[in-house]
Amino acid sequence: DIQMTQSPSSLSASVGDRVTITCRTSQSISKFLDWYHQKPGKAPNLLISAASNLQSGVPSRFSGGGSGTDFTLTISSLQPEDFATYYCQQSFTTPYIFGQGTKLEIK
Amino acid sequence: QVQLQQSGPGLVKSSETLSLACTVSGASISGYYWSWIRQPPGKGLEWIGYIYSSGSTDYNPSLKSRVTISEDTPKNQFSLELSSLTAADTAVYYCARHNSAGAFEIWGQGTMVTVSS
Repeated sequence: DIQMTQSPSSLSASVGDRVTITCRTSQSISKFLDWYHQKPGKAPNLLISAASNLQSGVPSRFSGGGSGTDFTLTISSLQPEDFATYYCQQSFTTPYIFGQGTKLEIK
Repeated sequence: QVQLQQSGPGLVKSSETLSLACTVSGASISGYYWSWIRQPPGKGLEWIGYIYSSGSTDYNPSLKSRVTISEDTPKNQFSLELSSLTAADTAVYYCARHNSAGAFEIWGQGTMVTVSS
C-alpha cells in the first residue's frame, strides 16, 4: 500500500493568515492527489482534485500543487469558515489511502 | 443536482452483518465508480471498496474477506454488506461517487453505525 504522511497534524492560525499543509507519499503517484475539508458532523467536501484542479464552487483562495511524491494545499487568506479538518488522499491506485488529517484551529 | 441518500440501521450486533444502501438521485449509477468509506469516531477516513457500473468491484485488502458491494440498477442504488462485525467496525459510513480523476466528488450524508455486544 502507498503510505501517506500529512503535516502538520494540527495548526493554529488567525483569520487572514496564509497557511500551507503538506502531504507526502511513499511512492510516486503522478498528480493523483486530492484534498478535502471536513467540518464536525459533516461529510468531507472535495476541494481540489488531481493535485491542482479547484472544484466548482470552491473559493480561489484555495490552491494545490505538487506532483510525484510531494504535494501542498495552500489557503491564501484564511476565512472563518475555513477552520476544519483537512485530508489528502491518493487516487493513483487501490487501496485508496487518506492522510491522517490536519486540524486547522483558530488562534 | 446529484444526491446520495443513505439508508440502513444505526445499531447492529457483534458477529452479525451490516447492510447499508445508497440511493442515487439526479444521475444514473451507470458509467460511474461508487465507493464506500468509513470513519471511526474521532479518527480518519478509510476506503472500504468500490463498484463500477459494469458490476466490477475492488475492495480494501484489510476488509476484503468480509465485504460485498453490489448494485441494483433498476433502483439506481448500490449497497454495502460487512460481515462478522466487531466493535472495531463502529464508525460513520459514507457512500460517494468518484469523478474522472478518481476523487470522491459527491458524498452521502453518512450513517453512524454502532456495533454492540
